[in-house]
Amino acid sequence: EDKVVQSPLSLVVHEGDTVTLNCSYEVTNFRSLLWYKQEKKAPTFLFMLTSSGIEKKSGRLSSILDKKELFSILNITATQTGDSAVYLCAGDPGGYQKVTFGTGTKLQVIP
Amino acid sequence: NAGVTQTPKFRVLKTGQSMTLLCAQDMNHEYMYWYRQDPGMGLRLIHYSVGEGTTAKGEVPDGYNVSRLKKQNFLLGLESAAPSQTSVYFCASNGESGANVLTFGAGSRLTVL
Repeated sequence: EDKVVQSPLSLVVHEGDTVTLNCSYEVTNFRSLLWYKQEKKAPTFLFMLTSSGIEKKSGRLSSILDKKELFSILNITATQTGDSAVYLCAGDPGGYQKVTFGTGTKLQVIP
Repeated sequence: NAGVTQTPKFRVLKTGQSMTLLCAQDMNHEYMYWYRQDPGMGLRLIHYSVGEGTTAKGEVPDGYNVSRLKKQNFLLGLESAAPSQTSVYFCASNGESGANVLTFGAGSRLTVL
């Protein structure tokens, strides 16, 4: 059975801190790793990673995939209160197959 | 752009009652999905559809039925609601067959008493 595990489950940081969120996966016929940000409502797409070692970056957020170790990290630098959310990662076999989500990491950024 | 719209946003049911959640997307996406999200469980796939007139079971399909009579709409039905179906339900859609980058609706919070 496919599995995606995220750590930590939750963390609290101060504005300006840098955080690293972890995601390990075991997904049959793995194609890509997806990161989403979920504030109070719908998850919104952040990154899709398909190749090992190639960093994807969007502003203060960046992510990288290690397909040998079956692992991905999401980094957020200079955190702001607006970064407070649950961050979800998901393993994607592509095509019609089921995406497997982790349970998420709840990040709280305090002023 | 409306994207993915779910109705209703909130609903309280008694055990045994039935209801239908409606999902509508205006992006001409082929693929649509219904997930439920429970604390500590993450998002779990209930049913999905790869095109108009087709549906398939996901990870947790029991107690639910779906229909995709029109490409833009995906309905999730509960025939006889149970307290275990208390959850937040998300509809999502995807227009690419090669990667499941999902666009989610805002969610529907269902409470079954």
